[in-house]
Amino acid sequence: EAGVAQSPRYKIIEKRQSVAFWCNPISGHATLYWYQQILGQGPKLLIQFQNNGVVDDSQLPKDRFSAERLKGVDSTLKIQPAKLEDSAVYLCASSLVPGGPQETQYFGPGTRLLVL
Amino acid sequence: SQQGEEDPQALSIQEGENATMNCSYKTSINNLQWYRQNSGRGLVHLILIRSNEREKHSGRLRVTLDTSKKSSSLLITASRAADTASYFCATGNTDKLIFGTGTRLQVFP
Repeated sequence: EAGVAQSPRYKIIEKRQSVAFWCNPISGHATLYWYQQILGQGPKLLIQFQNNGVVDDSQLPKDRFSAERLKGVDSTLKIQPAKLEDSAVYLCASSLVPGGPQETQYFGPGTRLLVL
Repeated sequence: SQQGEEDPQALSIQEGENATMNCSYKTSINNLQWYRQNSGRGLVHLILIRSNEREKHSGRLRVTLDTSKKSSSLLITASRAADTASYFCATGNTDKLIFGTGTRLQVFP
């Protein structure tokens, strides 16, 4: 079974530029998550989708971050404009069961973003 | 905000020794999960323990949960160099997982 795919793996941009990350979850997984992991910290949930609807985006900085899940499968996370403090690893995860803290989340390799 | 606090923040041991890391949390939970993260990689699920369970085993892993103390521990027995990674606890509530700050484990050959 193929895992969660993310691209790009690395991205370096200057502040005020825009950037987009892509995620393809495991086939059949209803729930998709985007996390931000700052160096030395645990992942922080940014947004959770169930199929193509948003379940939780309470910690998404909506003035600069946006996300969508196309047809309930792939997802993109965009930052516009980027700030220095956005430097982090952005992790995508998926789980089989809708609404799933009871279930295992499967993580992609992450996109490491550096904002200069 | 981060719910879980792992202790210690960093741990260095020799191959063959046991490694114990602890997680404390603040609010009631449905379950607690442990994940491993190798450097520069995504997280890998290790084990899930539900709030009505006290102990669980998986291979060389042993997890305990004490809901009265709001704490959990992860024991890795007979550690190997390949166990070198960061370990995170994640508490599951009604609708989300909240990750702790992690323990960095270094196992020397």
